[in-house]
Amino acid sequence: NAGVTQTPKFQVLKTGQSMTLQCAQDMNHNSMYWYRQDPGMGLRLIYYSASEGTTDKGEVPNGYNVSRLNKREFSLRLESAAPSQTSVYFCASGAPISSGHGELFFGEGSRLTVL
Amino acid sequence: KQEVTQIPAALSVPEGENLVLNCSFTDSAIYNLQWFRQDPGKGLTSLLLIQSSQREQTSGRLNASLDKSSGRSTLYIAASQPGDSATYLCAVSRSNYKLTFGKGTLLTVNP
Repeated sequence: NAGVTQTPKFQVLKTGQSMTLQCAQDMNHNSMYWYRQDPGMGLRLIYYSASEGTTDKGEVPNGYNVSRLNKREFSLRLESAAPSQTSVYFCASGAPISSGHGELFFGEGSRLTVL
Repeated sequence: KQEVTQIPAALSVPEGENLVLNCSFTDSAIYNLQWFRQDPGKGLTSLLLIQSSQREQTSGRLNASLDKSSGRSTLYIAASQPGDSATYLCAVSRSNYKLTFGKGTLLTVNP
């Protein structure tokens, strides 16, 4: 019962470095999401993928790229990290909200610090 | 733009007390409302989901109500326990794939 798995759990980067956060789900969900959580700001949607082969911008997409590799995997890439991207990143998956089964299932989070 | 507000921001109660957490939202045209629990350093766990056509949902000691017309939801926790200590977040959806989250209520249940 792995659910949603994120790697890495912790990462420290220097300004300008790049990295990719990996996410995989084993619940056969069509929809996957990347959120960031910052103190005082709550959770904000970065990108989402409604289904395999599609991705769309969320509330705060600047500085990020995503890839929906297959139905299970959805990765988030920081091409040139900035201190403002220091945050906790959460991957989530679920059925479409209007389906009536729109519960979201979250990973444990990836804690990223950009120096 | 949808805004979600949770009051209070923090709450401390003695074990065994019944308590209510509040969530309000500005746009009543929602698909559903979800309540989540987040333990320190962990991800979010879905507790209850209420569809826009429903008035309440129950799971064990938890009961969530929804008054869509007034833009309000409450999460009632009966007979609170120290293990209930966590941050509770509510989130509403106006589209198929986008949720708007509140900033949460930090609950501490003291033994």
